[in-house]
Amino acid sequence: DVKVTQSSRYLVKRTGEKVFLECVQDMDHENMFWYRQDPGLGLRLIYFSYDVKMKEKGDIPEGYSVSREKKERFSLILESASTNQTSMYLCASSLLSPRSGSNTYEQYFGPGTRLTVT
Amino acid sequence: GENVEQHPSTLSVQEGDSAVIKCTYSDSASNYFPWYKQELGKRPQLIIDIRSNVGEKKDQRIAVTLNKTAKHFSLHITETQPEDSAVYFCAARGYRDMGRRALTFGSGTRLQVQP
Repeated sequence: DVKVTQSSRYLVKRTGEKVFLECVQDMDHENMFWYRQDPGLGLRLIYFSYDVKMKEKGDIPEGYSVSREKKERFSLILESASTNQTSMYLCASSLLSPRSGSNTYEQYFGPGTRLTVT
Repeated sequence: GENVEQHPSTLSVQEGDSAVIKCTYSDSASNYFPWYKQELGKRPQLIIDIRSNVGEKKDQRIAVTLNKTAKHFSLHITETQPEDSAVYFCAARGYRDMGRRALTFGSGTRLQVQP
């Protein structure tokens, strides 16, 4: 019953390479999010998107860009990877508003991509 | 912007005891407070959430309380079991720079339930 998928579980890239991380959801959600997860720092929001071609910066957007050309797909781009971008990257999606009879803005997470930049 | 602080960072309890994790937030306009559980090697999953117009919510052995005046909320797990061992994240849904809402997560609490 997989609803949010990410293109890779593990990725190793070299410093300076351009890196693409892709996320696909099949729940027709308007919102999509990219987080990075580091020990002791929790989940930090990089970028999010609330509609096709729309994006908004999160808490740590520096060094990243995103693309949302289709509703189900949200890509995270590292223009020139650096070693301090070695991390676990999690994608998530949610509805823009709760469904009738519900109070939840539940986010569904992908399995994560562990990126190592050497 | 919103700032969420979570304590403790690690918590060890004996099976059957209760566990309490606390979070504070800074933005009084935040309106939704979820808790996510992340087991080792797995993705975070929502376990309980509360809206700002509610003070307490229970679901079997877990409960969340919200004090809007003090801007803090807590997760309570009763009769803990080994399968409750995981990292727990709190979050608050507040406004971002361009007027849209998004979650800000706490730094996480690693709960270990000793059999």
